[in-house]
Amino acid sequence: EAQVTQNPRYLITVTGKKLTVTCSQNMNHEYMSWYRQDPGLGLRQIYYSMNVEVTDKGDVPEGYKVSRKEKRNFPLILESPSPNQTSLYFCASSLSDTPNTGELFFGEGSRLTVL
Amino acid sequence: GQNIDQPTEMTATEGAIVQINCTYQTSGFNGLFWYQQHAGEAPTFLSYNVLDGLEEKGRFSSFLSRSKGYSYLLLKELQMKDSASYLCAVVDSNYQLIWGAGTKLIIKP
Repeated sequence: EAQVTQNPRYLITVTGKKLTVTCSQNMNHEYMSWYRQDPGLGLRQIYYSMNVEVTDKGDVPEGYKVSRKEKRNFPLILESPSPNQTSLYFCASSLSDTPNTGELFFGEGSRLTVL
Repeated sequence: GQNIDQPTEMTATEGAIVQINCTYQTSGFNGLFWYQQHAGEAPTFLSYNVLDGLEEKGRFSSFLSRSKGYSYLLLKELQMKDSASYLCAVVDSNYQLIWGAGTKLIIKP
């Protein structure tokens, strides 16, 4: 089954404790992206990647890191989480080689709470 | 700045028709998406419009007017399972995706 898989789905952590949210897709998509979703706001892009070893900042990259060592994986790293990073995070991928002109396939989301 | 406007919330009756509007001001235009998002779940793709006009897909249709910076999503024969948020997103001239905050649609029996 074609899918984007994120882990963990739910996480409660404390300020400053490094964490990684994994994302994996099995559709051989070139494009992958991370978003955060907060109440009353549209999805905001954190980072995206057009291909292996190619990553770019989105609208809200501060406090986050990513890597794209393999085509299928695109982990999101919070080196020193803070309470303002409490949010619902989505990983997405797309087949299109022109950014954002093809359907995005989203993971199920990771709800992160930073205390 | 770039802006996408959608109503925050709408209510409709099962079996009826509802139109969800989206207006946008962006630097350039390379397409407009509609996604459906049930509470606590991931967004799922509904439609993509790049040319003016109406595109129909079953009970759902999407309309685009580029000159007016306007789109709507039309849902017919509403079912309870259509209760969800509907997200409008525009691709700007730099191929960045600008998202609206979404419209929460409540369906009543």
